[in-house]
Amino acid sequence: EPEVTQTPSHQVTQMGQEVILRCVPISNHLYFYWYRQILGQKVEFLVSFYNNEISEKSEIFDDQFSVERPDGSNFTLKIRSTKLEDSAMYFCASRGDRGADEQFFGPGTRLTVL
Amino acid sequence: GDSVTQMEGPVTLSEEAFLTINCTYTATGYPSLFWYVQYPGEGLQLLLKATKADDKGSNKGFEATYRKETTSFHLEKGSVQVSDSAVYFCALSDPTTGNQFYFGTGTSLTVIP
Repeated sequence: EPEVTQTPSHQVTQMGQEVILRCVPISNHLYFYWYRQILGQKVEFLVSFYNNEISEKSEIFDDQFSVERPDGSNFTLKIRSTKLEDSAMYFCASRGDRGADEQFFGPGTRLTVL
Repeated sequence: GDSVTQMEGPVTLSEEAFLTINCTYTATGYPSLFWYVQYPGEGLQLLLKATKADDKGSNKGFEATYRKETTSFHLEKGSVQVSDSAVYFCALSDPTTGNQFYFGTGTSLTVIP
């Protein structure tokens, strides 16, 4: 069964460093999402991406964040200058087409900022 | 705006006990409702869903009914097992707000033998 994959599973970085979290969505899906879950808190929407551009973003997704689909398979989240409060689990998700409502989630990348 | 309110945890039950996890929602449009489960060390997995009022989603003995009149989507299982120990998230997806998911805070369930 096709699945969303994410790498790395755990990333440790120093405050102020740039990180790139990588996702490979399900191959024929058209809509892509990033969410984050700070430890003990709810899963929060960051950004959605369709047709090579951002379609929605939350107030969390400020200028420090960017997303890219550099090729036909990868979908990346970049944090330019990490802060301690960026420590969280980051989930990528994909959705098939306009009529589909289910999102398929990857296993997550745990980001730890020291 | 759209939101999901979920019963606080943690919940501890004995094996074969009845489970209810309450979930209510607020939405501007006509959302689809979901329950996702997160096992220790893993990502979010879809457990069940319902796309319109009065629909019942069911999977692995779990079920939830989309109740528009009470804006609720409570998760139930008649007899829990140790393997059901996980965190359960209620979520909605509203086409009028771009199909992003709104999640509840999650309810941690521990089932003891």
